[in-house]
Amino acid sequence: AQSVTQPDIHITVSEGASLELRCNYSYGATPYLFWYVQSPGQGLQLLLKYFSGDTLVQGIKGFEAEFKRSQSSFNLRKPSVHWSDAAEYFCAVGFGNQFYFGTGTSLTVIP
Amino acid sequence: DARVTQTPRHKVTEMGQEVTMRCQPILGHNTVFWYRQTMMQGLELLAYFRNRAPLDDSGMPKDRFSAEMPDATLATLKIQPSEPRDSAVYFCASGLVLADNEQFFGPGTRLTVL
Repeated sequence: AQSVTQPDIHITVSEGASLELRCNYSYGATPYLFWYVQSPGQGLQLLLKYFSGDTLVQGIKGFEAEFKRSQSSFNLRKPSVHWSDAAEYFCAVGFGNQFYFGTGTSLTVIP
Repeated sequence: DARVTQTPRHKVTEMGQEVTMRCQPILGHNTVFWYRQTMMQGLELLAYFRNRAPLDDSGMPKDRFSAEMPDATLATLKIQPSEPRDSAVYFCASGLVLADNEQFFGPGTRLTVL
Protein backbone atom coordinates (compact mmCIF):
# COMPACT_ATOMS: atom_id res chain seq x y z
CA ALA A 1 0.00 0.00 0.00
CA GLN A 2 1.10 3.53 -0.67
CA SER A 3 2.41 5.43 2.34
CA VAL A 4 4.34 8.45 3.45
CA THR A 5 6.62 8.25 6.46
CA GLN A 6 8.02 11.09 8.48
CA PRO A 7 10.13 9.29 11.07
CA ASP A 8 10.75 12.31 13.28
CA ILE A 9 7.72 13.39 15.29
CA HIS A 10 9.47 16.32 16.87
CA ILE A 11 12.76 18.11 16.22
CA THR A 12 14.43 20.90 18.18
CA VAL A 13 17.14 23.04 16.64
CA SER A 14 18.92 26.21 17.65
CA GLU A 15 18.32 29.36 15.70
CA GLY A 16 20.92 29.65 12.97
CA ALA A 17 21.57 25.92 12.85
CA SER A 18 20.89 23.80 9.79
CA LEU A 19 17.77 21.68 9.49
CA GLU A 20 16.86 18.46 7.73
CA LEU A 21 13.42 16.89 7.94
CA ARG A 22 13.06 13.38 6.63
CA CYS A 23 10.38 11.96 4.38
CA ASN A 24 10.16 8.54 2.79
CA TYR A 25 7.44 7.24 0.56
CA SER A 26 6.33 3.87 -0.59
CA TYR A 27 4.92 3.81 -4.09
CA GLY A 28 5.43 1.81 -7.25
CA ALA A 29 6.34 4.80 -9.36
CA THR A 30 7.69 8.25 -8.65
CA PRO A 31 4.80 10.27 -7.32
CA TYR A 32 4.47 14.00 -7.14
CA LEU A 33 6.11 15.15 -3.92
CA PHE A 34 5.30 18.09 -1.72
CA TRP A 35 6.27 19.75 1.52
CA TYR A 36 3.71 21.84 3.38
CA VAL A 37 4.13 23.95 6.50
CA GLN A 38 1.45 24.66 9.09
CA SER A 39 1.91 27.48 11.56
CA PRO A 40 -0.12 27.35 14.79
CA GLY A 41 -3.78 28.02 14.14
CA GLN A 42 -3.27 28.22 10.40
CA GLY A 43 -3.96 26.11 7.36
CA LEU A 44 -1.26 24.36 5.38
CA GLN A 45 0.95 26.31 3.02
CA LEU A 46 2.95 24.79 0.20
CA LEU A 47 6.71 25.15 0.62
CA LEU A 48 7.85 23.34 -2.50
CA LYS A 49 7.03 20.52 -4.88
CA TYR A 50 8.78 18.07 -7.16
CA PHE A 51 7.44 16.50 -10.34
CA SER A 52 10.43 15.77 -12.53
CA GLY A 53 13.75 17.15 -13.68
CA ASP A 54 16.32 18.57 -11.31
CA THR A 55 16.18 16.54 -8.12
CA LEU A 56 17.03 19.53 -5.94
CA VAL A 57 14.10 21.90 -5.73
CA GLN A 58 13.97 25.32 -4.17
CA GLY A 59 10.98 26.57 -2.26
CA ILE A 60 9.79 29.56 -0.35
CA LYS A 61 11.30 30.85 2.89
CA GLY A 62 14.76 29.52 2.01
CA PHE A 63 13.79 25.85 2.04
CA GLU A 64 14.96 23.24 -0.40
CA ALA A 65 14.35 19.53 -0.82
CA GLU A 66 16.19 16.78 -2.60
CA PHE A 67 14.53 13.83 -4.29
CA LYS A 68 16.51 10.61 -4.11
CA ARG A 69 14.90 7.89 -6.15
CA SER A 70 17.19 5.15 -4.84
CA GLN A 71 16.15 5.92 -1.27
CA SER A 72 12.52 6.84 -2.00
CA SER A 73 13.17 9.98 -0.03
CA PHE A 74 12.34 13.65 -0.30
CA ASN A 75 14.07 15.37 2.61
CA LEU A 76 13.53 19.02 3.40
CA ARG A 77 16.50 21.21 4.30
CA LYS A 78 17.31 24.71 5.37
CA PRO A 79 20.88 25.93 5.95
CA SER A 80 20.02 28.39 8.73
CA VAL A 81 16.82 28.18 10.73
CA HIS A 82 14.97 31.26 11.93
CA TRP A 83 12.73 31.42 14.99
CA SER A 84 9.75 32.00 12.67
CA ASP A 85 10.30 28.55 11.13
CA ALA A 86 8.83 26.91 14.22
CA ALA A 87 5.81 25.05 12.87
CA GLU A 88 4.49 21.66 11.80
CA TYR A 89 5.87 20.29 8.53
CA PHE A 90 4.06 17.78 6.38
CA CYS A 91 5.40 15.74 3.53
CA ALA A 92 2.82 14.62 0.96
CA VAL A 93 2.68 12.52 -2.17
CA GLY A 94 0.18 12.66 -4.98
CA PHE A 95 -0.54 10.37 -7.88
CA GLY A 96 -3.65 10.54 -10.00
CA ASN A 97 -6.66 10.77 -7.70
CA GLN A 98 -4.71 9.77 -4.65
CA PHE A 99 -3.05 12.04 -2.17
CA TYR A 100 -1.36 11.12 1.10
CA PHE A 101 0.05 13.23 3.90
CA GLY A 102 2.67 12.14 6.36
CA THR A 103 2.01 12.43 10.07
CA GLY A 104 4.02 15.61 10.33
CA THR A 105 7.18 16.77 12.10
CA SER A 106 6.90 19.46 14.73
CA LEU A 107 9.83 21.88 14.71
CA THR A 108 10.87 23.86 17.77
CA VAL A 109 13.49 26.58 17.39
CA ILE A 110 15.41 27.64 20.49
CA PRO A 111 17.28 30.95 20.77
CA ASP B 1 -4.98 37.35 -3.79
CA ALA B 2 -7.04 34.20 -4.43
CA ARG B 3 -7.51 31.96 -1.44
CA VAL B 4 -9.82 29.32 -0.06
CA THR B 5 -12.29 30.63 2.48
CA GLN B 6 -14.04 28.64 5.18
CA THR B 7 -16.90 29.54 7.47
CA PRO B 8 -17.34 29.52 10.34
CA ARG B 9 -13.79 29.74 11.68
CA HIS B 10 -14.92 28.47 15.07
CA LYS B 11 -17.99 26.52 16.11
CA VAL B 12 -19.03 25.32 19.53
CA THR B 13 -22.10 23.13 19.70
CA GLU B 14 -23.74 20.55 21.86
CA MET B 15 -23.82 16.87 21.19
CA GLY B 16 -26.68 15.90 18.90
CA GLN B 17 -26.83 19.20 17.07
CA GLU B 18 -26.36 19.56 13.33
CA VAL B 19 -23.20 21.28 12.15
CA THR B 20 -22.62 22.67 8.69
CA MET B 21 -19.23 23.88 7.53
CA ARG B 22 -18.79 25.80 4.31
CA CYS B 23 -15.93 26.24 1.91
CA GLN B 24 -15.46 28.51 -1.05
CA PRO B 25 -12.73 27.12 -3.31
CA ILE B 26 -10.48 29.34 -5.37
CA LEU B 27 -12.29 30.50 -8.46
CA GLY B 28 -11.50 28.18 -11.35
CA HIS B 29 -10.38 25.27 -9.20
CA ASN B 30 -12.36 22.11 -9.89
CA THR B 31 -11.11 19.81 -7.15
CA VAL B 32 -12.10 20.18 -3.54
CA PHE B 33 -10.88 18.22 -0.55
CA TRP B 34 -12.14 17.99 3.03
CA TYR B 35 -9.68 17.06 5.77
CA ARG B 36 -9.97 16.59 9.51
CA GLN B 37 -7.06 17.24 11.81
CA THR B 38 -6.77 16.02 15.41
CA MET B 39 -3.86 15.52 17.73
CA MET B 40 -4.45 11.79 17.84
CA GLN B 41 -5.09 11.04 14.16
CA GLY B 42 -3.24 13.83 12.42
CA LEU B 43 -4.52 14.94 9.03
CA GLU B 44 -7.19 12.67 7.58
CA LEU B 45 -8.76 12.95 4.14
CA LEU B 46 -12.53 12.79 4.51
CA ALA B 47 -13.78 13.41 0.98
CA TYR B 48 -12.68 14.57 -2.42
CA PHE B 49 -14.63 16.16 -5.26
CA ARG B 50 -13.77 16.76 -8.86
CA ASN B 51 -16.01 18.93 -11.02
CA ARG B 52 -18.51 18.86 -8.14
CA ALA B 53 -18.81 15.07 -8.23
CA PRO B 54 -17.69 13.07 -5.21
CA LEU B 55 -14.76 10.86 -6.19
CA ASP B 56 -13.76 9.48 -2.84
CA ASP B 57 -15.50 9.75 0.50
CA SER B 58 -14.15 6.57 2.01
CA GLY B 59 -12.58 8.49 4.88
CA MET B 60 -15.89 9.87 6.03
CA PRO B 61 -18.21 8.23 8.57
CA LYS B 62 -21.25 7.74 6.37
CA ASP B 63 -23.83 7.50 9.10
CA ARG B 64 -23.43 11.07 10.28
CA PHE B 65 -21.26 12.94 7.79
CA SER B 66 -22.24 14.21 4.37
CA ALA B 67 -20.37 16.35 1.86
CA GLU B 68 -21.81 18.16 -1.12
CA MET B 69 -21.01 20.77 -3.73
CA PRO B 70 -24.25 22.59 -4.54
CA ASP B 71 -22.35 24.64 -7.09
CA ALA B 72 -18.79 25.28 -8.21
CA THR B 73 -18.28 28.03 -5.64
CA LEU B 74 -19.52 26.22 -2.55
CA ALA B 75 -18.66 22.98 -0.79
CA THR B 76 -20.37 21.91 2.42
CA LEU B 77 -19.57 19.37 5.09
CA LYS B 78 -22.41 18.46 7.40
CA ILE B 79 -22.44 16.44 10.59
CA GLN B 80 -25.77 15.24 11.93
CA PRO B 81 -25.93 14.39 14.77
CA SER B 82 -22.63 15.70 16.08
CA GLU B 83 -20.68 13.88 18.78
CA PRO B 84 -17.82 14.97 21.07
CA ARG B 85 -15.39 12.78 19.11
CA ASP B 86 -16.05 14.99 16.06
CA SER B 87 -14.21 17.84 17.77
CA ALA B 88 -11.35 18.73 15.42
CA VAL B 89 -10.17 21.27 12.90
CA TYR B 90 -11.74 20.73 9.50
CA PHE B 91 -9.80 21.95 6.49
CA CYS B 92 -10.99 22.50 2.97
CA ALA B 93 -8.50 22.58 0.11
CA SER B 94 -8.92 23.19 -3.61
CA GLY B 95 -6.84 22.61 -6.69
CA LEU B 96 -6.79 22.21 -10.42
CA VAL B 97 -7.02 18.96 -12.30
CA LEU B 98 -3.43 19.05 -13.39
CA ALA B 99 -0.69 16.53 -13.00
CA ASP B 100 0.81 18.34 -10.05
CA ASN B 101 -2.05 17.72 -7.59
CA GLU B 102 -1.12 20.87 -5.68
CA GLN B 103 -3.68 21.82 -3.06
CA PHE B 104 -4.45 25.20 -1.58
CA PHE B 105 -5.73 25.08 1.97
CA GLY B 106 -8.28 27.21 3.75
CA PRO B 107 -7.76 28.44 7.32
CA GLY B 108 -9.92 25.69 8.79
CA THR B 109 -13.00 25.46 10.99
CA ARG B 110 -12.30 24.58 14.61
CA LEU B 111 -15.24 22.50 15.84
CA THR B 112 -15.90 21.78 19.48
CA VAL B 113 -18.75 19.44 20.36
CA LEU B 114 -19.66 19.49 24.04
